[in-house]
Amino acid sequence: DGGITQSPKYLFRKEGQNVTLSCEQNLNHDAMYWYRQDPGQGLRLIYYSQIVNDFQKGDIAEGYSVSREKKESFPLTVTSAQKNPTAFYLCASSAGGDYSYNEQFFGPGTRLTVL
Amino acid sequence: DAKTTQPPSMDCAEGRAANLPCNHSTISGNEYVYWYRQIHSQGPQYIIHGLKNNETNEMASLIITEDRKSSTLILPHATLRDTAVYYCIVRPPNAGNNRKLIWGLGTSLAVNP
Repeated sequence: DGGITQSPKYLFRKEGQNVTLSCEQNLNHDAMYWYRQDPGQGLRLIYYSQIVNDFQKGDIAEGYSVSREKKESFPLTVTSAQKNPTAFYLCASSAGGDYSYNEQFFGPGTRLTVL
Repeated sequence: DAKTTQPPSMDCAEGRAANLPCNHSTISGNEYVYWYRQIHSQGPQYIIHGLKNNETNEMASLIITEDRKSSTLILPHATLRDTAVYYCIVRPPNAGNNRKLIWGLGTSLAVNP
């Protein structure tokens, strides 16, 4: 089955530690995105990538980093510089690049809790 | 970019039609209306989108008013599995439109047995 996978579903880390969230898609989509969701707020864009080896900051990129070395993979690293890392993180992809009207497909999300 | 207004919550009886309204009074002529839903603790799921004409697919129907200032998502026979938060989003047509989506708080639909 085609889709987007995120792992793990739940992640616990100590304050001050970097942590990497995995996102893999087998939909052959060009564009991939990372969002953060907090209670009482809509999804906010962290980073996006239109094509392999290219990515751009979204609205709340501070304290995060990404890479796009392969078309199917877009891992997100939450660094110790992120002041409030505890959140629900969602990865998404869409076909035809960022310039199309194609809808986004979302992964199941990773709930990160920093203790 | 056009924003949307949705009621924070709605209830619907199982088997009945669920009609979810969305106001987008500042929408421009080339902006699409998209609907997604998010079941608790899962990723959002695309439902349907439209520009001017009414649209229907296997999940739902989308009715857009003639002036395009509002729309209604219709789930014809709601089931308990339709309990979710429903997001109405206006999508700008300029470059990079997916990354300019404004995700509000949506409507929390509760389908009751």
